[in-house]
Amino acid sequence: AQSVTQLGSHVSVSEGALVLLRCNYSSSVPPYLFWYVQYPNQGLQLLLKYTTGATLVKGINGFEAEFKKSETSFHLTKPSAHMSDAAEYFCAVSIDNQGGKLIFGQGTELSVKP
Amino acid sequence: DTGVSQDPRHKITKRGQNVTFRCDPISEHNRLYWYRQTLGQGPEFLTYFQNEAQLEKSRLLSDRFSAERPKGSFSTLEIQRTEQGDSAMYLCASSFENTEAFFGQGTRLTVV
Repeated sequence: AQSVTQLGSHVSVSEGALVLLRCNYSSSVPPYLFWYVQYPNQGLQLLLKYTTGATLVKGINGFEAEFKKSETSFHLTKPSAHMSDAAEYFCAVSIDNQGGKLIFGQGTELSVKP
Repeated sequence: DTGVSQDPRHKITKRGQNVTFRCDPISEHNRLYWYRQTLGQGPEFLTYFQNEAQLEKSRLLSDRFSAERPKGSFSTLEIQRTEQGDSAMYLCASSFENTEAFFGQGTRLTVV
């Protein structure tokens, strides 16, 4: 069975600072992993995904994530936070490696201070 | 293509009433998924379709919930005899085969 744990329900950074959102997963098979972003009262937008191949994955809006099998982690980073990055971020693992059937973490709310 | 479309965006209903939501997926996508998201939580998988066939239903989907995708295009999710615990955001997503899912804006249901 798969599961996802996001460490920290709320993260606050200053504009221009490094963003680091943590995600650990559990999966009995090589996982497909995703990060989605959700703005208030909106649906989810895909930031990036890892299926196979290169473990460092680049996504939209300057975000990237690294798949580390030994640590069962898929942390999301961005070198320099922008005010527009303030949102809820969800890490997800696909069920049975089917792209649309997902188990989500509880989410991390990112605040960006001016 | 404008992406996944959901209607209505917001619905307020009285307890005990039936409600129906509609989802129009991205046109070339053959798979369609429904999720429920309660406040402060991540979305939870409810059910999915491949074309018109409903292939899986979560244990979260009680007998009061029914979903259809009659012609393999749009889908409806009906909740009968709504309860206050049904208040949530209902999200629809679609994908082509096993690729990543694209989500709609969601329908926020409030049961009063």
